[in-house]
Amino acid sequence: NAGVTQTPKFRILKIGQSMTLQCAQDMNHNYMYWYRQDPGMGLKLIYYSVGAGITDKGEVPNGYNVSRSTTEDFPLRLELAAPSQTSVYFCASSLGGGQPQHFGDGTRLSIL
Amino acid sequence: GENVGLHLPTLSVQEGDNSIINCAYSNSASDYFIWYKQESGKGPQFIIDIRSNMDKRQGQRVTVLLNKTVKHLSLQIAATQPGDSAVYFCAEMGDSGGYQKVTFGIGTKLQVIP
Repeated sequence: NAGVTQTPKFRILKIGQSMTLQCAQDMNHNYMYWYRQDPGMGLKLIYYSVGAGITDKGEVPNGYNVSRSTTEDFPLRLELAAPSQTSVYFCASSLGGGQPQHFGDGTRLSIL
Repeated sequence: GENVGLHLPTLSVQEGDNSIINCAYSNSASDYFIWYKQESGKGPQFIIDIRSNMDKRQGQRVTVLLNKTVKHLSLQIAATQPGDSAVYFCAEMGDSGGYQKVTFGIGTKLQVIP
């Protein structure tokens, strides 16, 4: 199993551009999550999904959107990139709610 | 509010010695705790977990201790090796309106001195 795969690994965007961060897992996990990690701060939850067709906001959802059309994929969309969205983004999945989360290796995004 | 923190941001340990990384949590309703290891440029990697009905759990070279009275969690690494150099952070999980909310700590950087 590849686990959780994130693409791209790095990206530089200009202010106002849009992009989609891809996330795929092959563990047949129901739950998937998007976090951002900023220096000196713990992971912050952006959005999560408990199954295909179901998504919910986390702590910091503003400026982002997600969709979950399949169990495997959970893309994160930035519509109008802002410098405050410069961060490292991690996707994770888990079998259920009270289970450990498995993380991808992240997408490092810079907004200039 | 709910907060997971670490006492020491950086810990330097001699190779072969034991390491102890500490974590304080504030949500007494949390019932599941996880330690993660994060190497540079990588995503967090699950190390060990413990549920609130236990106070100790052992893995390979790692032990997690949970003290619910003082809301304290620790990770002990035996015979620390250079490959253990990484950032370690704890996470607490508890029910929040039907969803298992996870709160992550900031992390402690472990430096192993050869």
